[in-house]
Amino acid sequence: GAVVSQHPSWVICKSGTSVKIECRSLDFQATTMFWYRQFPKQSLMLMATSNEGSKATYEQGVEKDKFLINHASLTLSTLTVTSAHPEDSSFYICSAMPPENEKLFFGSGTQLSVL
Amino acid sequence: DAKTTQPPSMDCAEGRAANLPCNHSTISGNEYVYWYRQIHSQGPQYIIHGLKNNETNEMASLIITEDRKSSTLILPHATLRDTAVYYCIVRGSNTGNQFYFGTGTSLTVIP
Repeated sequence: GAVVSQHPSWVICKSGTSVKIECRSLDFQATTMFWYRQFPKQSLMLMATSNEGSKATYEQGVEKDKFLINHASLTLSTLTVTSAHPEDSSFYICSAMPPENEKLFFGSGTQLSVL
Repeated sequence: DAKTTQPPSMDCAEGRAANLPCNHSTISGNEYVYWYRQIHSQGPQYIIHGLKNNETNEMASLIITEDRKSSTLILPHATLRDTAVYYCIVRGSNTGNQFYFGTGTSLTVIP
């Protein structure tokens, strides 16, 4: 199957700092990528759809100024958690769907801990 | 938003078939049923998907009822490595072609 790489796997930061998470499609081009977050013992929640060359589409209730998404190339999308606070601590997961493929492939996730 | 209902948890004996049900009574004609699973602290893994016909691959079988209001994922010979949370997802134009996850079923395979 297609490979989606996510980096870093985990990050610890101080409250008030910003954290960037990268998501790469390694063997295909992705015009669209998806960002999810997951709290402990809960399901995945879709945060936003990242569109190459245009603005991301955010789900209702997700602050676009808090979670900045950039999709500057066909293989890279980044999620920046700005001015992170302890309540932003979560597992963030990206995903992408190869062209002509109906399957969504996921990265391995990033565990963010904000102190 | 999720349009599926699954039991929160199930157990299965190792080597036996695991049958995971999913209700999707409001599914539309152009919406697919997908199954993913997530092992703790990892990204979800694709298992199988279908529209109305039953499907089988190297991982599992998907049985969709004739009215398409429910489906069952079958792991024919469960192993300890199949212990995971299994998500049934309905996806199509009515969901904006997005994948919205429900609460899933936590499957525990017992030795």
